[in-house]
Amino acid sequence: AQSVSQHNHHVILSEAASLELGCNYSYGGTVNLFWYVQYPGQHLQLLLKYFSGDPLVKGIKGFEAEFIKSKFSFNLRKPSVQWSDTAEYFCAVLTGTASKLTFGTGTRLQVTL
Amino acid sequence: NAGVTQTPKFQVLKTGQSMTLQCAQDMNHEYMSWYRQDPGMGLRLIHYSVGAGITDQGEVPNGYNVSRSTTEDFPLRLLSAAPSQTSVYFCASSRMTGGLGDYGYTFGSGTRLTVV
Repeated sequence: AQSVSQHNHHVILSEAASLELGCNYSYGGTVNLFWYVQYPGQHLQLLLKYFSGDPLVKGIKGFEAEFIKSKFSFNLRKPSVQWSDTAEYFCAVLTGTASKLTFGTGTRLQVTL
Repeated sequence: NAGVTQTPKFQVLKTGQSMTLQCAQDMNHEYMSWYRQDPGMGLRLIHYSVGAGITDQGEVPNGYNVSRSTTEDFPLRLLSAAPSQTSVYFCASSRMTGGLGDYGYTFGSGTRLTVV
């Protein structure tokens, strides 16, 4: 079965700092990859997704992620974070064998002024 | 508005009580699922369904039942609530993959359940 690892559990950054959140998955076949964001008290929102083609994916709010197949990774990046980016971020993987979406344990991002 | 509707938004139960969390979608999605979200554990799949009349267990099914009598509805039943079931529950739906393609999951706004 597939699994997803997010190594950063809690990240604290100052506003304008650059962000990179790690995500690794374990599955040998074709995958779809997602990053979701959950702002305090809200439900999950899709930030970006990778299905095929260009491994560098751009999402909403200036976020991007790069799919590196050889490293089974899909790291999330943002050049300059804002206070409003304070949220929890989840990486997720979907494989072709079923519609089940498997989530990582999440990374809590705190952006200070 | 198209989407996934969950009710109730908040619920407090006493240990041993039973209840049903409702989930409905109006997008004609074949696939529906229930997740629970706990701090430090991400979202874990409880049960899922690939169509009316078909359900299966996810990662953490114990203590929960589901049924799928229609495409639109996928209720989650807690048979005898326990404090360990205190969590936030999310329902989600999507088209069936069948092969990977450009589609996505739609999540409900969640139900915050406290069992005392």
